Amino acid sequence: NAGVTQTPKFQVLKTGQSMTLQCAQDMNHEYMSWYRQDPGMGLRLIHYSVGAGITDQGEVPNGYNVSRSTTEDFPLRLLSAAPSQTSVYFCASSHGVGRDTQYFGPGTRLTVL
Amino acid sequence: SQQGEEDPQALSIQEGENATMNCSYKTSINNLQWYRQNSGRGLVHLILIRSNEREKHSGRLRVTLDTSKKSSSLLITASRAADTASYFCATRPRGDDKIIFGKGTRLHILP
Repeated sequence: NAGVTQTPKFQVLKTGQSMTLQCAQDMNHEYMSWYRQDPGMGLRLIHYSVGAGITDQGEVPNGYNVSRSTTEDFPLRLLSAAPSQTSVYFCASSHGVGRDTQYFGPGTRLTVL
Repeated sequence: SQQGEEDPQALSIQEGENATMNCSYKTSINNLQWYRQNSGRGLVHLILIRSNEREKHSGRLRVTLDTSKKSSSLLITASRAADTASYFCATRPRGDDKIIFGKGTRLHILP
């Protein structure tokens, strides 16, 4: 199993550009989530999904969109990148409520100029 | 504001000593987890303790949970250089699907 994979590893954007961060898992996990990590702030939940076709907002959802058309994939879209979105983004997955052990991807380091 | 808050923010100890980190949270929870993050890497799950459990062990790790005080502690015994990392607690609030992380404790093991 590859576990949780994220692409790209690094990305530089200009203000106003849009892009999609990819996340995929091959463990048949129902629960997937996106976090951003900033220095001194720990991990903050952006969006999460409890299954295909179901998404919900986390702590810091503004400026981001997600969709979950398949169990395996959970892409994160930045609609119009801002310097405040410079961060490291982590995707995670787990079997679901009651089986909460999360498996994390390696992260995407995003810089918005 | 974040659900979990780790204490201390940073901790330096000598190799071989025990390291204790604490986590306080705000609302009732279903479970609490501890994760480790080595510099620049993704998080790795260490241990999960459910709200009806008071103590759990895994190797050199001991986790306690006090739901009346809304707090948990992570004890790492006989620390090693490889334990140098950031440690995070994560909680699932009762009745919620979200898993929320704290800001973490940076642990540095001195040779």
